[in-house]
Amino acid sequence: GAVVSQHPSWVICKSGTSVKIECRSLDFQATTMFWYRQFPKQSLMLMATSNEGSKATYEQGVEKDKFLINHASLTLSTLTVTSAHPEDSSFYICSARNARTNEKLFFGSGTQLSVL
Amino acid sequence: DQQVKQNSPSLSVQEGRISILNCDYTNSMFDYFLWYKKYPAEGPTFLISISSIKDKNEDGRFTVFLNKSAKHLSLHIVPSQPGDSAVYFCAASVRSNSGAGSYQLTFGKGTKLSVIP
Repeated sequence: GAVVSQHPSWVICKSGTSVKIECRSLDFQATTMFWYRQFPKQSLMLMATSNEGSKATYEQGVEKDKFLINHASLTLSTLTVTSAHPEDSSFYICSARNARTNEKLFFGSGTQLSVL
Repeated sequence: DQQVKQNSPSLSVQEGRISILNCDYTNSMFDYFLWYKKYPAEGPTFLISISSIKDKNEDGRFTVFLNKSAKHLSLHIVPSQPGDSAVYFCAASVRSNSGAGSYQLTFGKGTKLSVIP
């Protein structure tokens, strides 16, 4: 089946630094990728929708200057958490849409970010 | 305000019996519902879905029932197997939205299913 690879799986960083998370579709072209965030005991919350070659669409309350999304190719989207703070510590997960299957989204394995 | 609710954080079922996971939603615009299964340290994987024009969809041991008037759906697993032990997420979308918006999912908090051998 379709595979979405997400790296790194976990990262610890100091407050004020930036962290980049990569999401790759390994065997299909992903015209659209979605980035979610999950705080402990909460549901996965959509942060932004990323379309290849265009600007990402952010959900209400998500700072686009803080969470930079780049979807430069049909197989790669990146999320950069800039000037990370402890309150950004969360589980970040991407999903990719295979335009051919339409029905399903395929998820990466997630990234646990801890900001000290 | 949570639009998709899974009120049971956990459920334990004996192997071979039926597992019933419940999900309620509040947004009447939702017209497509999905169940995802998640193992630790892995991303959610798609299990089964149902369109609002149906009230039942079956795939092997998995059946999803949709009651639109009650804004309620349930996932039935029968017979339950130890390998089914995982966190199950209910998700909903508005497929009538244009473009990528139709694939934006609203998730519940998940229910952890434990199938006891």
